[in-house]
Amino acid sequence: AAGVIQSPRHLIKEKRETATLKCYPIPRHDTVYWYQQGPGQDPQFLISFYEKMQSDKGSIPDRFSAQQFSDYHSELNMSSLELGDSALYFCASSQQGSHEQYFGPGTRLTVT
Amino acid sequence: GQQLNQSPQSMFIQEGEDVSMNCTSSSIFNTWLWYKQDPGEGPVLLIALYKAGELTSNGRLTAQFGITRKDSFLNISASIPSDVGIYFCAGQERGGSNYKLTFGKGTLLTVNP
Repeated sequence: AAGVIQSPRHLIKEKRETATLKCYPIPRHDTVYWYQQGPGQDPQFLISFYEKMQSDKGSIPDRFSAQQFSDYHSELNMSSLELGDSALYFCASSQQGSHEQYFGPGTRLTVT
Repeated sequence: GQQLNQSPQSMFIQEGEDVSMNCTSSSIFNTWLWYKQDPGEGPVLLIALYKAGELTSNGRLTAQFGITRKDSFLNISASIPSDVGIYFCAGQERGGSNYKLTFGKGTLLTVNP
């Protein structure tokens, strides 16, 4: 079965640079969630979208923004990167009304 | 925000043994989910629980949604080496259309062959 696709899988950036992470949800899933997982930590909710509209917002820094496009894929844009932004970034998708979220393989962002 | 207390933090068991882990919250959750994560990979959904008191199985895994809606446990029977990984509970708050997940801190399971 098709799964959530994330790209790139690995990304290395320097401080103050920008990064764009992409997420392609499971076919027919219309809701996308972004999570950040630091080393040895649990995933923390950042932001979610349904039908291209932001549906909920968590602990997402103002330097980050995200959007969902008409084909339901989503992009997380990160600017003025800091060392502390180094983490695994996961996208999860679900069908609206379903409580089950399916996670992608993640993007490992390293900021040097 | 919501916080989940997951225990134990880690377990080291022999192959064939049963294992149990649980999560508790000070607040009510609408849904409990259990995930398994391998190093560097995304969490994989194991079991979803929707009703208080619900007991659900998935192969050797069994999970229950606590009656108070503030806790859940996961049991793994007859463990095998591939059960190694980090197990996370995750809860979704009551009401609304937003289903963001709040995760526990995880239980690291090691299985000795």
